[in-house]
Amino acid sequence: AQKITQTQPGMFVQEKEAVTLDCTYDTSDPSYGLFWYKQPSSGEMIFLIYQGSYDQQNATEGRYSLNFQKARKSANLVISASQLGDSAMYFCAILQTSYDKVIFGPGTSLSVIP
Amino acid sequence: DGGITQSPKYLFRKEGQNVTLSCEQNLNHDAMYWYRQDPGQGLRLIYYSQIVNDFQKGDIAEGYSVSREKKESFPLTVTSAQKNPTAFYLCASSIWGSNQPQHFGDGTRLSIL
Repeated sequence: AQKITQTQPGMFVQEKEAVTLDCTYDTSDPSYGLFWYKQPSSGEMIFLIYQGSYDQQNATEGRYSLNFQKARKSANLVISASQLGDSAMYFCAILQTSYDKVIFGPGTSLSVIP
Repeated sequence: DGGITQSPKYLFRKEGQNVTLSCEQNLNHDAMYWYRQDPGQGLRLIYYSQIVNDFQKGDIAEGYSVSREKKESFPLTVTSAQKNPTAFYLCASSIWGSNQPQHFGDGTRLSIL
C-alpha cells in the first residue's frame, strides 16, 4: 500500500532563510506523482509543486523546489528566502497512476520567525 | 474565474440528523473528491467520483453518502450513522487520469450541537 511519511510535525525558520521539509513515500507502482500543498490557518489547500516519477530534473516553482531522490523514495520541499506568509501546514501527497487516488501525509507545521 | 465552491462554510448538526455539504465546480473536471480533516492531521479520502453517476468509497466512507448526478456537482451527506462527524471537510476536483494537481474548495467546518 502506498504511504507518505512526514517526520517533522513542527519546524521553525528565520525570515529570509531557507528551509527543507522532509517527505518519504512508499509505493510499488513504477509510475506515480508527488505533490506538495500548503494549508494556511484559513483552511484552503494551495498547490505548490509537482514531481513525476519519470521526470529527470527536480521540479522548481519560484521559491519552491523539490529535492527528488527516487532511489531513497524521498521528495523534500525546499523553500528559499522564507517569508512570514509561508507560515502554514505543508502536506506531501502521492498519486499512484494505477490506483487513481491521492494519499496525503500527516503534514508539517512551518512557523517563520521575524 | 474557474474554481470550486463549497457551502456552507460552517454547519451545525443535531444528534440524529443528516446534513448535506455542497460542492460545485466550473473547471470542467471529470473527477471529484471528498476529504475529511481532523485537527492537526492530514486529509483522509471519504468518496471520489470519476464520472457522472459513478463513485467509489475511499478509506473512511462509513456514515457518509454521495451522489454525482451532474458533472459540476458532488454533494456529501453526513448521515446520523457517522458518530463523530465534527471535522473540516474539503472537496476537490481534478482532470481524471492525469498527473495534474487537485484543486480544492475552501472547506466546510461541521460541528455537533
